[in-house]
Amino acid sequence: DAMVIQNPRYQVTQFGKPVTLSCSQTLNHNVMYWYQQKSSQAPKLLFHYYDKDFNNEADTPDNFQSRRPNTSFCFLDIRSPGLGDAAMYLCATSRFPSGTSASTDTQYFGPGTRLTVL
Amino acid sequence: AQKVTQAQTEISVVEKEDVTLDCVYETRDTTYYLFWYKQPPSGELVFLIRRNSFDEQNEISGRYSWNFQKSTSSFNFTITASQVVDSAVYFCALSEANQGGKLIFGQGTELSVKP
Repeated sequence: DAMVIQNPRYQVTQFGKPVTLSCSQTLNHNVMYWYQQKSSQAPKLLFHYYDKDFNNEADTPDNFQSRRPNTSFCFLDIRSPGLGDAAMYLCATSRFPSGTSASTDTQYFGPGTRLTVL
Repeated sequence: AQKVTQAQTEISVVEKEDVTLDCVYETRDTTYYLFWYKQPPSGELVFLIRRNSFDEQNEISGRYSWNFQKSTSSFNFTITASQVVDSAVYFCALSEANQGGKLIFGQGTELSVKP
């Protein structure tokens, strides 16, 4: 089945120790998104890639970086995790960023990676 | 500015009851898209429905139905004959045509269906 896969599902890191979260997709979608969801809050967009074009949200801290080496994979790097970065990180994909039908711009989410910072 | 409001933080019903989850949105754009997602305890956001701003037809899918009213900027979601498996957090979201696909989520409504 075509899907969005996130590894690992649970990640524990230490304060200040760099960590990388992984997302892969078999949908062959052009756009990949990273969201941060803190406990009992709504998901918040950090950034997205449209093909190789990186689009950062204005309020995303510099501590968060992303890489997309190919269509299938996208990584979220947290350079120096703080306690406030503990959250669920959700990856999503869509065929295009916007469109005229559900088949073009609906975002499909992976299962998420729950990050704990000690 | 774009905003999505889900005024109901938590709802608790007994199995087989009908339940409506409210969603009110704000946008200045004439072209926009509205979504509902379900987030069960496992954490994955499951897509339920997408409507565009030019299509106000209500939609029914099994026990789920959606009422889109532009006049009141609302996009409400009703579950008929609720089941325990419907227990989850439900998010309403808005995307504007020129915002690169950015989803603006409401705060979510946690639905608990008791046997």
